[in-house]
Amino acid sequence: DAGVIQSPRHEVTEMGQEVTLRCKPISGHNSLFWYRQTMMRGLELLIYFNNNVPIDDSGMPEDRFSAKMPNASFSTLKIQPSEPRDSAVYFCASSFISGQGVHQPQHFGDGTRLSIL
Amino acid sequence: GEDVEQSLFLSVREGDSSVINCTYTDSSSTYLYWYKQEPGAGLQLLTYIFSNMDMKQDQRLTVLLNKKDKHLSLRIADTQTGDSAIYFCAESRLSGGYNKLIFGAGTRLAVHP
Repeated sequence: DAGVIQSPRHEVTEMGQEVTLRCKPISGHNSLFWYRQTMMRGLELLIYFNNNVPIDDSGMPEDRFSAKMPNASFSTLKIQPSEPRDSAVYFCASSFISGQGVHQPQHFGDGTRLSIL
Repeated sequence: GEDVEQSLFLSVREGDSSVINCTYTDSSSTYLYWYKQEPGAGLQLLTYIFSNMDMKQDQRLTVLLNKKDKHLSLRIADTQTGDSAIYFCAESRLSGGYNKLIFGAGTRLAVHP
């Protein structure tokens, strides 16, 4: 079975440019998570979607960051304008959470390594 | 505190057992997880344990849970060079109406001949 698919794997761009990261969750999963990983701060949850609806965006650093999930099989994380401090590895993860609160583990994509010059 | 804590480094000889330790904070955590991250890759789910269990074994992996002390450990038997990676402990914490994963900083396991 295909896992979580992220693109691009690597992105290098100049500060001020718009960056769009993409994620395709595992088919049948109803929950999607965006994380950021840095040496200084480790893994941080940015935003959580359930059934395509943003449930918790308290981890989104600032208004320059936005995320969408137009359908169950696709999500984007956008940074506009990008800054050097946004350089990190961004992971997407998905899982299934039932209405009774029973949940399955999160499965991660291979990440997008973002460098802002 | 609110952090999940792990030691940062562990070095073992090939063939020996590795034990990676973790302390978590929320006594009501329902699940606790171990993930493995190899260079340039995402987090791979290794195993997880439900909070009403004390131990779980899966081939070379043994997870021990001490709820009283909020201590979780991962034992890797017969450690191989392919086990060299960063291992993350995570607790599932109820926050904002859903179970949020809180990760430790990761333990870098180095396996030498």
